[in-house]
Amino acid sequence: DQQVKQNSPSLSVQEGRISILNCDYTNSMFDYFLWYKKYPAEGPTFLISISSIKDKNEDGRFTVFLNKSAKHLSLHIVPSQPGDSAVYFCAAAVSGSARQLTFGSGTQLTVLP
Amino acid sequence: GAGVSQSPRYKVTKRGQDVTLRCDPISSHATLYWYQQALGQGPEFLTYFNYEAQPDKSGLPSDRFSAERPEGSISTLTIQRTEQRDSAMYRCASSLTVLNEQYFGPGTRLTVT
Repeated sequence: DQQVKQNSPSLSVQEGRISILNCDYTNSMFDYFLWYKKYPAEGPTFLISISSIKDKNEDGRFTVFLNKSAKHLSLHIVPSQPGDSAVYFCAAAVSGSARQLTFGSGTQLTVLP
Repeated sequence: GAGVSQSPRYKVTKRGQDVTLRCDPISSHATLYWYQQALGQGPEFLTYFNYEAQPDKSGLPSDRFSAERPEGSISTLTIQRTEQRDSAMYRCASSLTVLNEQYFGPGTRLTVT
């Protein structure tokens, strides 16, 4: 039973446009959410996080939105750049624990020049 | 060190053999995690250490899997009597404390033939 779901295995966008990656979760105990980015042959690298006390967190071109009632979060990348092409993993954790992460299956983003 | 390192990067073993995977975390990081990642999926939590203590082994799939971190830095993950279903990428991550972001290593690709 997947507790964190990324239903789009892939997404292609044009350079300069907005990329929107989506993630849904089922476990209502999750209260800390993260996005990781992964290039081939490398480990995932932390991108941005959000606590459930917020509904938005912004860091440069990256913004994460959290809709707790819908158990949905999204990552917006504006403007998208070719270097953003990677696999993006959504992850969730219960804060106050050891924060072992529960990951989604990833979305391959391709930004076309 | 500069980042989390893992060795070997690739391991091919025959069914029934034991394998040991190694993780070198970022120095001064108290917390170390092991994850298993199947092809096309996100990493799945196996176990974690806080220094040398191992408070949570709940993700280990069977008693054939064990992990150690005897001096609170380098960790090993051992799989005894390997089975084909153990074939996966094994990822290690470390963090300054349980409350900080996790830095992932490049992983060890294990293939059991």
